[in-house]
Amino acid sequence: QVQLQESGPGLVRPSQTLSLTCTVSGNFVNSGPYYWSWVRQPAGKGLEWIGQIYTTGKTHYNPSLRGRVTISLDPSKNQFSLSLTSVSAADTALYYCVKYIDSWDAFEVWGQGTMVTVSS
Amino acid sequence: QSALTQPASLSASPGQSITISCTGPYDVIASYNYVSWYQQHPGKAPKLLIYELTHRPSGVSVRFSGSRAGITASLTISDLQAEDEADYYCASYTPPKNLVVFGGGTKLTVL
Repeated sequence: QVQLQESGPGLVRPSQTLSLTCTVSGNFVNSGPYYWSWVRQPAGKGLEWIGQIYTTGKTHYNPSLRGRVTISLDPSKNQFSLSLTSVSAADTALYYCVKYIDSWDAFEVWGQGTMVTVSS
Repeated sequence: QSALTQPASLSASPGQSITISCTGPYDVIASYNYVSWYQQHPGKAPKLLIYELTHRPSGVSVRFSGSRAGITASLTISDLQAEDEADYYCASYTPPKNLVVFGGGTKLTVL
């Protein structure tokens, strides 16, 4: 059974970089037709796709984040990470890491989410 | 603003059926079978209900079904139960742009 667990600081200062890590169990991050994804949700609002990385390292990002996003894989730790630069209050949200099945074109397994607040 | 449009809220009584729509550009909804649907209860992570328009993952109730007509995809929930009260989101992969878009979400109230 695949499980995902987000970790990282809950508070980030404006203009700084938000860094989160997702630890995967039950599946190798460099194996299978999967994308490892990040999705966020501001309080009381809808879901927003941030981006994803394929098991080969190929990435796709939401163009609305204007080049501030980097997603990377660390197979040695079976983790993948999110880096979001130049954050503002608009980046305050619950951040989910998610397993996306390429052959299903769907987000199959979700982490529990981690809240990140951008504030000075 | 979401590329996929969903009604903000719907309500129905237990035992009834309800359909949640998801309308989008032709090159997202009508051209590909990449629509998926998710259920999110308060304080919980979303759960996959439907993938590739009509397919249910193992363990999802047969009361949930997906369909499409033109540029509108739909999620139908039959025999509504109290536990179906939740937020529902559609999503779609868009091959030309290699990105995923979500609908704005629909809050379903079971009266």
